[in-house]
Amino acid sequence: GAVVSQHPSWVICKSGTSVKIECRSLDFQATTMFWYRQFPKQSLMLMATSNEGSKATYEQGVEKDKFLINHASLTLSTLTVTSAHPEDSSFYICSGLAINSPLHFGNGTRLTVT
Amino acid sequence: AQSVSQHNHHVILSEAASLELGCNYSYGGTVNLFWYVQYPGQHLQLLLKYFSGDPLVKGIKGFEAEFIKSKFSFNLRKPSVQWSDTAEYFCAVNTPGGNEKLTFGTGTRLTIIP
Repeated sequence: GAVVSQHPSWVICKSGTSVKIECRSLDFQATTMFWYRQFPKQSLMLMATSNEGSKATYEQGVEKDKFLINHASLTLSTLTVTSAHPEDSSFYICSGLAINSPLHFGNGTRLTVT
Repeated sequence: AQSVSQHNHHVILSEAASLELGCNYSYGGTVNLFWYVQYPGQHLQLLLKYFSGDPLVKGIKGFEAEFIKSKFSFNLRKPSVQWSDTAEYFCAVNTPGGNEKLTFGTGTRLTIIP
């Protein structure tokens, strides 16, 4: 089946630094990528939607200058958490969507900001 | 906007017991309904989905769910669980033509005791 590879699976960074999370669709072309965030004991919350070659559309309350999303190709989308703070510590999940295909999720990235 | 409630945060059952996980949504219009499962250390996987037609939907691994429109519910059921069903289960909804943006519930952790 279709696979979405998300890397890294776990990252610790210091407050004030930036972290990049990659999401690759390995055997399909993802025209749309979704980025979700999950805080402990809460539901997955959609952060943004990105279409290949276009600027991402952010959900209300998500700072676009803090969470930079790039979807430069049909197989790669990146999320960069800039100037990370402890409150950004969370579980980030990407999912890819191809035409006439269901959503495929990555394994997620656990970010801890110290 | 839609919202999804999953009433059971953690369910513990013995093998062979019957399972029912609750899911209620809040939205006045037509919705698509999903159940996803996340096994430990793995990505979210689609268990089953309802778009229209027969409100009793059968999914993979012996799971089924029933859409009851009058109750805004989409409960997940399995007549006899196995140890391998230990996982986190998420109910989700989206609206037809809504660009596949999903609204998730908080999830239910299912622990099966051998």
